[in-house]
Amino acid sequence: NAGVTQTPKFRVLKTGQSMTLLCAQDMNHEYMYWYRQDPGMGLRLIHYSVGEGTTAKGEVPDGYNVSRLKKQNFLLGLESAAPSQTSVYFCASSYGQGNYEQYFGPGTRLTVT
Amino acid sequence: EDQVTQSPEALRLQEGESSSLNCSYTVSGLRGLFWYRQDPGKGPEFLFTLYSAGEEKEKERLKATLTKKESFLHITAPKPEDSATYLCAVLGYTGFQKLVFGTGTRLLVSP
Repeated sequence: NAGVTQTPKFRVLKTGQSMTLLCAQDMNHEYMYWYRQDPGMGLRLIHYSVGEGTTAKGEVPDGYNVSRLKKQNFLLGLESAAPSQTSVYFCASSYGQGNYEQYFGPGTRLTVT
Repeated sequence: EDQVTQSPEALRLQEGESSSLNCSYTVSGLRGLFWYRQDPGKGPEFLFTLYSAGEEKEKERLKATLTKKESFLHITAPKPEDSATYLCAVLGYTGFQKLVFGTGTRLLVSP
C-alpha cells in the first residue's frame, strides 16, 4: 500500500501560469481533501470531495479548482498562479461516514514568483 | 467558530526528560480530537483520535488525554527520534467533516 501519493514534489511557477497537482490514494477512501500549509497559520482546507464526481469548497477556495473523475484521484488546479499561492499543499483522504481519521500525502512545495 | 490553540509553540527537552504538550479547543460539539506528528518536509502522520472526555490512548512513549476543554500529549522519556512538530485538530458537528488544526508544537529532543 502506497497510501496517499502526490505529484509533483516541488514546482516553481511564474505569476499567471497554470498547473495541476495530482493526488492518488489506494486505500479505497471515499473522502478526499486538499489543504495548504503556511507558516503560523496551520493547515487550511481548500476543497474537498465526498465521492467520485463530487467536489465542494472549503475554507480558502479562491483561485483553485478541483476535479474527482475517479475515486482514487483528486486533482487541484491553479488557473492563474499568484505569489499568494506560494505554499505547501497536502492532499488527504478518509473513509468518511463516521470514520473521521484523515491520512495525508507527502506534500507539494509550490513557489510562485 | 471552532478554534484550536496549541502550547508551547516550541519545546526543547533533554533525552529522557518527560513533558506534556497542550491543545486547548472550543468547538460546537466534539466529534473527535486528533493528534498528528509532522516531520520536516513531510506530511502529517496520524497518531490518535480521542472522542470523549476522560479517554486516553497510548503509543510507545506517547499518551494522549482529553478533557472537555483541552487535550494533552504526554511524552515519557523522549528520545531524539521523537523530535517533530505535533499537530492537534478538532472535528465538530457543524458543517462538513472539516478538521480545524492548531499551529503545532515544535519539539526538539537533544541527546
